[in-house]
Amino acid sequence: DAMVIQNPRYQVTQFGKPVTLSCSQTLNHNVMYWYQQKSSQAPKLLFHYYDKDFNNEADTPDNFQSRRPNTSFCFLDIRSPGLGDAAMYLCATSRPSLGNTEAFFGQGTRLTVV
Amino acid sequence: QQPVQSPQAVILREGEDAVINCSSSKALYSVHWYRQKHGEAPVFLMILLKGGEQKGHEKISASFNEKKQQSSLYLTASQLSYSGTYFCGTSEGTYKYIFGTGTRLKVLA
Repeated sequence: DAMVIQNPRYQVTQFGKPVTLSCSQTLNHNVMYWYQQKSSQAPKLLFHYYDKDFNNEADTPDNFQSRRPNTSFCFLDIRSPGLGDAAMYLCATSRPSLGNTEAFFGQGTRLTVV
Repeated sequence: QQPVQSPQAVILREGEDAVINCSSSKALYSVHWYRQKHGEAPVFLMILLKGGEQKGHEKISASFNEKKQQSSLYLTASQLSYSGTYFCGTSEGTYKYIFGTGTRLKVLA
């Protein structure tokens, strides 16, 4: 089945140690998103790509970077994780058409910072 | 600016009904509804594309009033499995996708 896959499901990293989260898709969608979701809050958009065009939200910290080497893969790099970066990170894809943009989600990566 | 949902939280007994509202300060062209269980990714429930459209999925239905920039989700005869957090989602601009503030729903036996 076509899907969005995030690895790993659970990631524990040390304070200040760089960490990379990955997302792959078999949907061939041209838009990919990264969201951060903290407990009891709505998913917050960090970045999105349309093909290779990168769009950074104004309030996304510089500590967060992203790479999209090809249509299928997208990475979230956290250069120096702080305790406040512990959250669920959601990857999603879409193929906007006729004014409709439905997002398809991966299962998320739960990041713990120790 | 993200759509605002109301209420923020609701507790129901099995079999009771609930309405969750989603209001946007910007024009809405389509609205999606998701349910998220604790520790899991959001699960798509339904999409509404046209103003005034209503759709149903078993005992869960939704309406979309384009002029009022609002959508409502109706849960009838709620079941324990309906517990979770509900989000509306919509596109902002051409490719950006954002979520509403969320509504926590708990159904008690």
